[in-house]
Amino acid sequence: DGGITQSPKYLFRKEGQNVTLSCEQNLNHDAMYWYRQDPGQGLRLIYYSQIVNDFQKGDIAEGYSVSREKKESFPLTVTSAQKNPTAFYLCASSSPAGLASGNEQFFGPGTRLTVL
Amino acid sequence: AQKVTQAQTEISVVEKEDVTLDCVYETRDTTYYLFWYKQPPSGELVFLIRRNSFDEQNEISGRYSWNFQKSTSSFNFTITASQVVDSAVYFCALISGSARQLTFGSGTQLTVLP
Repeated sequence: DGGITQSPKYLFRKEGQNVTLSCEQNLNHDAMYWYRQDPGQGLRLIYYSQIVNDFQKGDIAEGYSVSREKKESFPLTVTSAQKNPTAFYLCASSSPAGLASGNEQFFGPGTRLTVL
Repeated sequence: AQKVTQAQTEISVVEKEDVTLDCVYETRDTTYYLFWYKQPPSGELVFLIRRNSFDEQNEISGRYSWNFQKSTSSFNFTITASQVVDSAVYFCALISGSARQLTFGSGTQLTVLP
């Protein structure tokens, strides 16, 4: 089945450690996105990528890094510079035409990161 | 700039009641798209509907219906005869022609009680 996978579903890390969240899609989508969700808040965009080897900062990119070496994969690294990393992280992708044409984003199941 | 406001933080209804979730948006662009997503307790966002700015026709899909009114910049979502399985957080989202990213509202937590 086509879709987006994120692993792991739950992740625990000690403060000061970098951690990488995985996101893989087999929908043949060019565009991929990372969002952060905090309790009682909407989704905030961290980074997005329209094509391989290219990505742009979203609204809250500080303390995060990404790479896009393959079309199918868009891993997110939460660095020690992120002041408050505990949150729910959602990965998404959209069709080749991208969001500007109105194509919807498809979301993965999310990773809940807790920093101890 | 884009902005989406969902003023209702939480709504509780009893099963079989109708419920309307409000969404008000702001954009300077004449071309834009509006979306509704459902987030069940499992966490994954599920796409419900997309509407472009040139199509104000209301839409009905089973128990779900959407009322798009450009005059009031609103895109409200109504669930008829609600069911316990409708309990979730519902997000309204917007992308306008000049932007490259979705802007989400803060979501409305809907609880349907048996």
